[in-house]
Amino acid sequence: DAKTTQPPSMDCAEGRAANLPCNHSTISGNEYVYWYRQIHSQGPQYIIHGLKNNETNEMASLIITEDRKSSTLILPHATLRDTAVYYCIVRVGNSGYALNFGKGTSLLVTP
Amino acid sequence: GAVVSQHPSWVICKSGTSVKIECRSLDFQATTMFWYRQFPKQSLMLMATSNEGSKATYEQGVEKDKFLINHASLTLSTLTVTSAHPEDSSFYICSARDQGTGESQPQHFGDGTRLSIL
Repeated sequence: DAKTTQPPSMDCAEGRAANLPCNHSTISGNEYVYWYRQIHSQGPQYIIHGLKNNETNEMASLIITEDRKSSTLILPHATLRDTAVYYCIVRVGNSGYALNFGKGTSLLVTP
Repeated sequence: GAVVSQHPSWVICKSGTSVKIECRSLDFQATTMFWYRQFPKQSLMLMATSNEGSKATYEQGVEKDKFLINHASLTLSTLTVTSAHPEDSSFYICSARDQGTGESQPQHFGDGTRLSIL
């Protein structure tokens, strides 16, 4: 799995967009970018993933740069319930191996 | 979407007892499931890979005789912490991936089991 770098913490005001960056400069052509989050005392929750194109679902948007060396997870209207640790993980899509969790970004959404 | 159920969510027991944790894939089959452990203020650490019909693969430093894993069906894996001691107190989490729905499908996680050994 390619190495990823995320800021350790971020703050965001409730109702505003939360933009969480991730650097993955050594990403390979067949590696996907996955985002998960872990709310306190719960198991990780899958958010979104992508290969090259930007992706959007009901939870978030994923913007991947053209050179694929970095990406941004966007929560368009953050709520207090979005306070969590967000993990960016890069890996081959059909890998049967476990996920390697780094330290992630601790997002605090404030009223 | 794919759902992984983990049970129990919370258990307290005396030192020396054994505790079994179940991980079920509710709407898909999983030949492989993963068991993680998470200590306070730390990230998830992989303990072992559970393989249906064969022996589990343990990460370095994880005692296979202490953490017994059984993956007897395509929807159920169990982790038994044998002769548990206070240092085994932790948050245990399982995950599985629906391998039948495309190469990039994500893994899905249970809600975790909080184990406290007195």
